[in-house]
Amino acid sequence: DADVTQTPRNRITKTGKRIMLECSQTKGHDRMYWYRQDPGLGLQLIYYSFDVKDINKGEISDGYSVSRQAQAKFSLSLESAIPNQTALYFCATSPAQGEDTQYFGPGTRLTVL
Amino acid sequence: GQQLNQSPQSMFIQEGEDVSMNCTSSSIFNTWLWYKQDPGEGPVLLIALYKAGELTSNGRLTAQFGITRKDSFLNISASIPSDVGIYFCAGRRGVGLTFGKGTHLIIQP
Repeated sequence: DADVTQTPRNRITKTGKRIMLECSQTKGHDRMYWYRQDPGLGLQLIYYSFDVKDINKGEISDGYSVSRQAQAKFSLSLESAIPNQTALYFCATSPAQGEDTQYFGPGTRLTVL
Repeated sequence: GQQLNQSPQSMFIQEGEDVSMNCTSSSIFNTWLWYKQDPGEGPVLLIALYKAGELTSNGRLTAQFGITRKDSFLNISASIPSDVGIYFCAGRRGVGLTFGKGTHLIIQP
């Protein structure tokens, strides 16, 4: 079984809809991250969490919110989706002492019409 | 914000050839990382570099952390078809990683 899982893997939605992307991990890592990938732009950090009570904004947090429900779960929400949020979204985890070694999930492809 | 300039953007090579790609930045990074992404998958860590001047190998892959801490390169020797994919450099200075835009490697048999 995969250590970092994301659901859904693909989602098509309409402008204005609320969307939640979920991430679960079985690695026992404290730190979790959400990234967005656009073609030709690499990955950009949206939000990160160092433990259940810790939430921090990344480079591009506007239009997004997150919830760390448990050590193993970190969800990303788009309260009112817009077309320029169409992208590939990745969740990642890392152990507290090894933040550099981030393990990525398989990604969620989101299309906002 | 911090930016990593990764080059080349894409490479078309013959199987068996050596590959070289690099990343540069105007900012100093404490750690340099190289990831590979296959279609439909998340990035997978290939090599991590922690000290300026460090040269590290992982099989046919070799990467170096530049002395100035502002650059890194990745070499792949004797390329094989499964090397196809997108290679990303990433640097860490504070929290989270800053990624380059990727090098798309295409191998012609």
